[in-house]
Order: sequence, then structure tokens, then C-alpha cells
Amino acid sequence: DAGITQSPRHKVTETGTPVTLRCHQTENHRYMYWYRQDPGHGLRLIHYSYGVKDTDKGEVSDGYSVSRSKTEDFLLTLESATSSQTSVYFCAITPDRDGYTFGSGTRLTVV
Amino acid sequence: KQEVTQIPAALSVPEGENLVLNCSFTDSAIYNLQWFRQDPGKGLTSLLLIQSSQREQTSGRLNASLDKSSGRSTLYIAASQPGDSATYLCAVNTGNQFYFGTGTSLTVIP
Repeated sequence: DAGITQSPRHKVTETGTPVTLRCHQTENHRYMYWYRQDPGHGLRLIHYSYGVKDTDKGEVSDGYSVSRSKTEDFLLTLESATSSQTSVYFCAITPDRDGYTFGSGTRLTVV
Repeated sequence: KQEVTQIPAALSVPEGENLVLNCSFTDSAIYNLQWFRQDPGKGLTSLLLIQSSQREQTSGRLNASLDKSSGRSTLYIAASQPGDSATYLCAVNTGNQFYFGTGTSLTVIP
């Protein structure tokens, strides 16, 4: 998707290992978000950022941490991956809490 | 907490039909509402964004309406095509975050 990339696209990891997902934007947007998408639950907000080093929790933040040291990068870390964190993770950006632009997603499997 | 519901969960129509997808939300204090399309295994593509002060938005064969007071939005698709087959999601923006419905899976049969 234009202006926003997620890496990796796919990852398989073992229970108990730390995992970091990266969201990179070239739009210089202030707001960045991490969502997870699961069948029957839709998309749920994990964490979001409203500026460099400014982050806040969403509704499903337990077990996740984030960092934003530069405007363009927003990192999501699973501190100790569990099978319940198997999901598709989406990053989204917006210039001023207006409409979202989404990344292509990261499919994470925890075995 | 804002709750967003989309009905029906799945819909199958013959090609050429006009159709309406529904989205309802519990708290009318919204900033805007956005409709997305998601193809299997893919990300979300924005279709239409309606600000809280607007009643509707149009793009090609798509028309989205918003009735904030009743907590409803509809997405109207005219002259449906097989390429419209996808899951359609609505998202309500409260100003702090978007709340998503679980989507309507649309199949257009040739």
C-alpha cells in the first residue's frame, strides 16, 4: 500500500520468544496504530502513537509493547509470544485522526 | 465503549443486483465513519469516509449514508459485479480510535 509498509509479511515463532513487528511510513503522518484481526472479533486496537515517543494502550494491549523513536517507524513487540497471539497484525496511519490507511498486514503464527 | 455491528454477516447476490450493507453503532458521538473493503488474505482498502457533519458520500457505484442520531450507516452498491466479492468493514471513529464491525462477506455470483 502506498506510503506504509509492514515487515515481515509472515513469521512463525516459538512460544516464549520475543517478536518485533515493524511498521514504516513515508507520509509523515502523526498518528500510527497497531491492530490485530481475528475471526469473530474483527479488528481490535493494541496500541497507538500520536507522536515520537508518545504512545498509548488500546483495548488488547496485554503482552504487547510499542516504541516510536522516529516519525516513520512504529514497532510492536510481543515480549514473550503465546499461542493466543497468533493473528494477523495490521498497522494503520492517519494525518490527524481522519481516515485510516492500512498496511498489508503481518501474519504471525506462534507454535 | 463503542460497539459496531454489521448485518448480515454474509450475503450472496446475482451479478447486476443493487445491494445494501448495514452498519450500526451504539454511541452517536462520532468523529467520522469509514467503509473498507478487504479481499481474502489482504489488507484493508478504504472505500468511503463520511465526516460526522455529512449525510452521504459517493464514489462511482458506491454510496454511503450516515444517520448519526439513529446510529446507522449504509453502504449501497449499484449494479454489483463479481469483482465486488470481498468482505466489507465499517469503522467508527470516536476521535481517539476506530472501532470496527466484524464485516459483511459479499459474494456476487456471475
